[in-house]
Amino acid sequence: SSELTQDPAVSVALGQTVRITCQGDSLRSYYASWYQQKPGQAPVLFIYGKNNRPSGIPDRFSGSSSGNTASLTITGAQAEDEADYYCNSRDSSGNSVLFGGGTKLTVL
Amino acid sequence: QVQLVQSGAEVKKPGASVKVSCKASGYTFTDYYIHWVRQAPGQGLEWMGWINPNRGGTNYAQKFQGRVTMTRDTSISTGYMELSRLTSDDTAVYYCTRESPDDLADYWGQGTLVTVSS
Repeated sequence: SSELTQDPAVSVALGQTVRITCQGDSLRSYYASWYQQKPGQAPVLFIYGKNNRPSGIPDRFSGSSSGNTASLTITGAQAEDEADYYCNSRDSSGNSVLFGGGTKLTVL
Repeated sequence: QVQLVQSGAEVKKPGASVKVSCKASGYTFTDYYIHWVRQAPGQGLEWMGWINPNRGGTNYAQKFQGRVTMTRDTSISTGYMELSRLTSDDTAVYYCTRESPDDLADYWGQGTLVTVSS
């Protein structure tokens, strides 16, 4: 498959939990990574592998995967979490890279 | 600390070529692949390809084959992405990223805005 599909927009009330999903056939073979991008800035890696956070990423962010769907969960969303979130993974051949279309998260 | 520092913004005319550089520091340049990703205004991220700085091997996204060339100069720890036959659809911010054993893009350059306009 050559696509990763994300919902274009998701909203969450301040302090509540939100899940952002990413679907694609390649996710049956490869973990997704998740990146946060704020306006005018480069993306930043937030989740990689099974459920790993780089140093400095708050532990309210977590990742999971089941079948062809990967999820990014924010437990207790904060105002500063409002951003675009992108998933990526290798494609099914393992030689190329796919990005999801991105999800714009609004914290209400 | 790991840093990827890209060259400055460019303005090009349709039909021209652009070459963006990405200087790596804080790690051994030849140990990690460099990928190039672009983002058109208001749009999502689009993968363009990778280069193996050690041997120079490349793999380009099908969309860009024949128009993109990725090279590197190991003596100055710098990767390059050249895109030819530019059109207005190539107006975008171009990012270089580092692939590590853990992740396809664990570090990103600051981005280079390429504007194609007559």
